[in-house]
Amino acid sequence: KNEVEQSPQNLTAQEGEFITINCSYSVGISALHWLQQHPGGGIVSLFMLSSGKKKHGRLIATINIQEKHSSLHITASHPRDSAVYICAVRAGMNRDDKIIFGKGTRLHILP
Amino acid sequence: DAGVIQSPRHEVTEMGQEVTLRCKPISGHDYLFWYRQTMMRGLELLIYFNNNVPIDDSGMPEDRFSAKMPNASFSTLKIQPSEPRDSAVYFCASSFSDTYNEQFFGPGTRLTVL
Repeated sequence: KNEVEQSPQNLTAQEGEFITINCSYSVGISALHWLQQHPGGGIVSLFMLSSGKKKHGRLIATINIQEKHSSLHITASHPRDSAVYICAVRAGMNRDDKIIFGKGTRLHILP
Repeated sequence: DAGVIQSPRHEVTEMGQEVTLRCKPISGHDYLFWYRQTMMRGLELLIYFNNNVPIDDSGMPEDRFSAKMPNASFSTLKIQPSEPRDSAVYFCASSFSDTYNEQFFGPGTRLTVL
């Protein structure tokens, strides 16, 4: 079993829909990272979380440390949100602890 | 700053050839990471450096892979000899002060080994 699991693997939705992408992990972590990979391949950091919730524009990320779960939400989705969203965790509390990646969720927003 | 710079952007080579990928991190960043991305395995951390010293190379698949960071502004990932299964996109990223401060990714090198 992977230490970081994302769901769904693929998601197609209509423009304007509310999107939720989930990330569950089985190891103790000190931080969680959401990344966005555009269709052209470039990778951009979206959020880094260790607790609670963060919001940036139409994107909201939450984390529940006790339940070992994080969600990434997109409100009023738009075709330009189409990308692969990757969850990554730092397994531990030390600066040099291991980083573990999920396999990504491929999101396609239809106009 | 120009961001993380990788070269070449695309590389096509034949099995058995040596391949060298290059990365220039963002100035002032003291952590540098090499990742590999494939359809089957997703994004994988191969190795990372702190202050030019390799810290964790447990992700390096086998002895055919080697990485160096001779100074704070340059790193190489070498594959010798290359094999078709090495075909992937290789990303370099850098961050400041911590493995888990925000990482800035380069554009990647798409490697095809025929």
